[in-house]
Amino acid sequence: AQSVTQLGSHVSVSEGALVLLRCNYSSSVPPYLFWYVQYPNQGLQLLLKYTSAATLVKGINGFEAEFKKSETSFHLTKPSAHMSDAAEYFCAVSRMDSSYKLIFGSGTRLLVRP
Amino acid sequence: DSGVTQTPKHLITATGQRVTLRCSPRSGDLSVYWYQQSLDQGLQFLIQYYNGEERAKGNILERFSAQQFPDLHSELNLSSLELGDSALYFCASSVEDRGTDTQYFGPGTRLTVL
Repeated sequence: AQSVTQLGSHVSVSEGALVLLRCNYSSSVPPYLFWYVQYPNQGLQLLLKYTSAATLVKGINGFEAEFKKSETSFHLTKPSAHMSDAAEYFCAVSRMDSSYKLIFGSGTRLLVRP
Repeated sequence: DSGVTQTPKHLITATGQRVTLRCSPRSGDLSVYWYQQSLDQGLQFLIQYYNGEERAKGNILERFSAQQFPDLHSELNLSSLELGDSALYFCASSVEDRGTDTQYFGPGTRLTVL
């Protein structure tokens, strides 16, 4: 069975500081991995995805994530936080069992201090 | 704007009632997924349709049902509603049914059961 763990339900950073949101997955087969962002009262928007090509994946808004098989991790980073990055971030895993449904982590709310 | 539309945006109803949520996928997308987002359960996969056929079921209650019509729009029917069904219901669509396909999420329908 697949699962996703996001460490830290809340992460607070200063504007301009490094953003690091942690995601670990469990999967018996090589997974596809995704990061989505949810702004208040909105749907989910894809930031980036790993689908077994390059292990370092670049996404929108300056975010990137690195797939590390040995650590079963897919942490999301951004070198310099902006106030507009304040949102909830979800890591998700997908791999065919009966479908390519997304299995989501519990989410991390990013707070950006001025 | 993801191109996925959901109606209504908000729905307030009473226990025991039945409601229908509607989703129009992005033009050309054949797969439709339904997810439920609640405070206690997080984001959970409910059901997937592909080109009119049910592809996979997740943690969907027997009181809930869905279908995808020939024009590819989908409806999620919730009956005998309980207080615990209050949640945000998302529809997502993708081009095909492949793990590499991005799922594009609609803005959601917020259901409140009183």
